[in-house]
Amino acid sequence: DGGITQSPKYLFRKEGQNVTLSCEQNLNHDAMYWYRQDPGQGLRLIYYSQIVNDFQKGDIAEGYSVSREKKESFPLTVTSAQKNPTAFYLCASSVRHAYNSPLHFGNGTRLTVT
Amino acid sequence: AQSVTQLDSHVSVSEGTPVLLRCNYSSSYSPSLFWYVQHPNKGLQLLLKYTSAATLVKGINGFEAEFKKSETSFHLTKPSAHMSDAAEYFCVVSDHSGGGADGLTFGKGTHLIIQP
Repeated sequence: DGGITQSPKYLFRKEGQNVTLSCEQNLNHDAMYWYRQDPGQGLRLIYYSQIVNDFQKGDIAEGYSVSREKKESFPLTVTSAQKNPTAFYLCASSVRHAYNSPLHFGNGTRLTVT
Repeated sequence: AQSVTQLDSHVSVSEGTPVLLRCNYSSSYSPSLFWYVQHPNKGLQLLLKYTSAATLVKGINGFEAEFKKSETSFHLTKPSAHMSDAAEYFCVVSDHSGGGADGLTFGKGTHLIIQP
C-alpha cells in the first residue's frame, strides 16, 4: 500500500542534542511538508519542498533544518537552537504544491526533549 | 488574506444521533476547503474536500459538508454518530491569497466526543 512512513513513533532526547526525524513516502508525490502540532492548536508549517533539491521555510522554521535529496525522503532535523522542541511532528505529502491539492499524512513522531 | 474559525472546541453527542461540526472561513478568492480527521496519536486523514464543484460534498465514513458562500460556512455533518467517530476534526481553507507559507490555514480543531 502507498503511504507515508514516519519513524520513530516516539523519540526522547536530552536538551542540547540535535535529532533527526525520518519521513519516507512511496506515493510518488512531488511536494512534502513538515508540520508541528501542539495541544489545542492547529498545525503549523515548519518547512516544505515542492521538488527534489529545493525547499522553503514555513511559518516556524527557526531551529529546524531539512533536506530533499530524493523524491521519496524528507528528513527533519530539530537542532539545539529550537527553544521548545517537545511536540508532535507530522510529515505530509501532496501530488503537487497547489492550493487545491489535499495532503496525505504520516502517523507522526512524538518528540520529548528533557 | 484567509482565515478559518471552528466555532466549537468540543462537541459531545450520543451514539446514533446527528453530528454537526461548524466551520466559518474568510477568503478573498474562491477557496478550496477541506475537513480532516485525526485519531489519537495518528496523522490527519482527509474526510472530504470542496474545490468549486458541487456545493454539497460527500466524504468518507458517512460524513458530508455543504459549502455556503453567502454564510462563508463549511459545516461538517453526519446523520448518525458511531463510537469510532470520536476524534479531532480540522477544517482547512486554501486559496491563492496566502495563509501559511504552504497556502493553507488550519482551524484549531474540534474534539468530538461520542457518548454511549
